[in-house]
Amino acid sequence: IQMTQSPSSLSASVGDRVTITCRASQIINSYLNWYQQKPGEAPKVLIYGASRLRSGVSSRFSGSGSMTDFTLTISSLQPEDFATYYCQQSYGTPLSFGPGTKVEIK
Amino acid sequence: EVQLVESGGGLVKPGGSLRLSCAASGFNFSTYSMSWVRQAPGKGLEWVSSISGNSNFIHYADSVKGRFSISRDNAKNSLYLYMDSLRVDDTALYYCVNYHYDTSGYSFFDYWGQGTLVTVSS
Repeated sequence: IQMTQSPSSLSASVGDRVTITCRASQIINSYLNWYQQKPGEAPKVLIYGASRLRSGVSSRFSGSGSMTDFTLTISSLQPEDFATYYCQQSYGTPLSFGPGTKVEIK
Repeated sequence: EVQLVESGGGLVKPGGSLRLSCAASGFNFSTYSMSWVRQAPGKGLEWVSSISGNSNFIHYADSVKGRFSISRDNAKNSLYLYMDSLRVDDTALYYCVNYHYDTSGYSFFDYWGQGTLVTVSS
């Protein structure tokens, strides 16, 4: 299953609402996860099952979508949110990630 | 506190082999599926292999099938990745990752180690 993301990068300001999209090459129902990776750090899961917030993750992150099209939304961008975001399908093996979306400071 | 500590990375020539290890602590290791995920320098994430808690189910990415072998020793709370016939494009940071199956029926990569760097170069 091929995963695509758009945009590949974006520039935004603190306080902005940011939306990242992810598309799967086939129907994956809601088996879609989102990860955040900061430079020099391991990734961290934010959202699983398309819309379920991982315990301990800020509620400014939300996920939506099903079947093939998904969205990660950051409601009000904070300085610590500047990072690269990856989607990943857990519908079946081989497990696959999107290419990533880098969120940079405007 | 969950800890995953990888070791065994290093510089190896093309065609060579290497064995990665991951020491796990802070959770009931034998009940969790575990995975290896890699990241080439400056690139995205690539799933490599997964193994179920009892080792009954093992899966590999097509890019490593036939060359890599995943295994675990639940008595030692350890995960391994034996890599053979290494290629230049296997160069990456290799992460040991706990794979969590939620009660909702969904699964995701949960706890990650800091990674061990494998460099394949002549």
